[in-house]
Amino acid sequence: SAVISQKPSRDICQRGTSLTIQCQVDSQVTMMFWYRQQPGQSLTLIATANQGSEATYESGFVIDKFPISRPNLTFSTLTVSNMSPEDSSIYLCSVGPPGGNTIYFGEGSWLTVV
Amino acid sequence: GNSVTQMEGPVTLSEEAFLTINCTYTATGYPSLFWYVQYPGEGLQLLLKATKADDKGSNKGFEATYRKETTSFHLEKGSVQVSDSAVYFCALSDRGDSSYKLIFGSGTRLLVRP
Repeated sequence: SAVISQKPSRDICQRGTSLTIQCQVDSQVTMMFWYRQQPGQSLTLIATANQGSEATYESGFVIDKFPISRPNLTFSTLTVSNMSPEDSSIYLCSVGPPGGNTIYFGEGSWLTVV
Repeated sequence: GNSVTQMEGPVTLSEEAFLTINCTYTATGYPSLFWYVQYPGEGLQLLLKATKADDKGSNKGFEATYRKETTSFHLEKGSVQVSDSAVYFCALSDRGDSSYKLIFGSGTRLLVRP
C-alpha cells in the first residue's frame, strides 16, 4: 500500500483567491491523480499528473483553473485558481503504485469558499 | 464509454441486518472492480477489490463477487454494525488502457440504527 499525505486538510478561502494543495507519497509512484468531490456527490477525475510532462486534464477541467505540478515521483500540487463558492469541494489525491492495480487515496483537502 | 451504476440511497438498516448494495458496470475492456468506503468526515478508503471474473473480494465482513455474465459487483455483509454507517462507492478501473483511472458510481449512503 501507499501512504498519502495531503495539505491542507481543511481551509476556508475567500472568493477570488487561489489555494495550492500538496500531495506527498511515501514511495515513488508513476501515476498520481487529482479528484474532486462536490458536496453530496461522487468523485470526478480532474487530471492525471505525470512526472516530467504536462498533466492530462479530463473533459470540463482546464489548466488555467486547476494548474498541476509534478516535480518528482513522490510529490504533486493542485492549485484551485480564482475560487468561487462552486469550488467548495473535497479535493483528493490518489496514486496507482507501479506493478499493482489498486488506487489509494489521501484523506482529502476540504475546501470551503466564502 | 465506461460507467458504474449503484443503487440509490440512503439505505437504512437495523443492526445485525443483512446488507446488499447493488453495483453494475459497463466497460469496453476487462476492468478491475473496487468498493471504497467514506466514513463521515473522512477521506476515501479501499474496502475490497476484484481483478478478474469470479474473483471474490472480502474485507471486514464485506464481500463482493465479480460477475462478468451479469456485469455486477454487488456488496454484501451478513450482519451490519452501527460503525458501518458510511457512504459506499463502487468503482472500476479499465486495465485495458493502463491508465488506472477510476470511474465511480454515485455512492450509496448506509445508515445503521442500533
